[in-house]
Amino acid sequence: EAGVAQSPRYKIIEKRQSVAFWCNPISGHATLYWYQQILGQGPKLLIQFQNNGVVDDSQLPKDRFSAERLKGVDSTLKIQPAKLEDSAVYLCASSLAGTATYEQYFGPGTRLTVT
Amino acid sequence: QQQVKQSPQSLIVQKGGISIINCAYENTAFDYFPWYQQFPGKGPALLIAIRPDVSEKKEGRFTISFNKSAKQFSLHIMDSQPGDSATYFCAASLGHKLSFGAGTTVTVRA
Repeated sequence: EAGVAQSPRYKIIEKRQSVAFWCNPISGHATLYWYQQILGQGPKLLIQFQNNGVVDDSQLPKDRFSAERLKGVDSTLKIQPAKLEDSAVYLCASSLAGTATYEQYFGPGTRLTVT
Repeated sequence: QQQVKQSPQSLIVQKGGISIINCAYENTAFDYFPWYQQFPGKGPALLIAIRPDVSEKKEGRFTISFNKSAKQFSLHIMDSQPGDSATYFCAASLGHKLSFGAGTTVTVRA
């Protein structure tokens, strides 16, 4: 079974530029999560989708971050404009509908460096 | 606001030794307490999880001990191996949300 795929793996941009990350969850997984993991910290949930609907985006900085999952499969997370403090690893995770919240499968992440 | 506090930040253990990582929480409404293992360049992977009505759960060399009255739980890695060198995160779930600790980097010396 293929895991969660993310691209790109690394991205370096200057502040005020925009960037987009892509995630393809495990086939059949209805729930998709985007997390931000700052160096030395645990992952922090940014947004959760159930199919193509948003379940929770309470911690998404909506003035600069946006995410979509138009067909209920893959998803993109965008930052526009980026700030220095956005430097982090952005993790995508997915899970089967109806499973426990902790039963999430994480992708390898995209490491973003904002200079 | 960090809902789950994890310690130590890092630890070094000899091969064959026991690694112990501790976590504390405040919200008694949390319904599961999982542990994740993360290798460099990889995402976290679920290791083991426990419900708050269970005091201990063991899977292979990994054991969770849970103290509900103290609002603390810990991960014990028995017979630590070099391949266990990784960052370990405790977490707590409430509804659809996971709250992670800050992580502990474990280094197992051969």
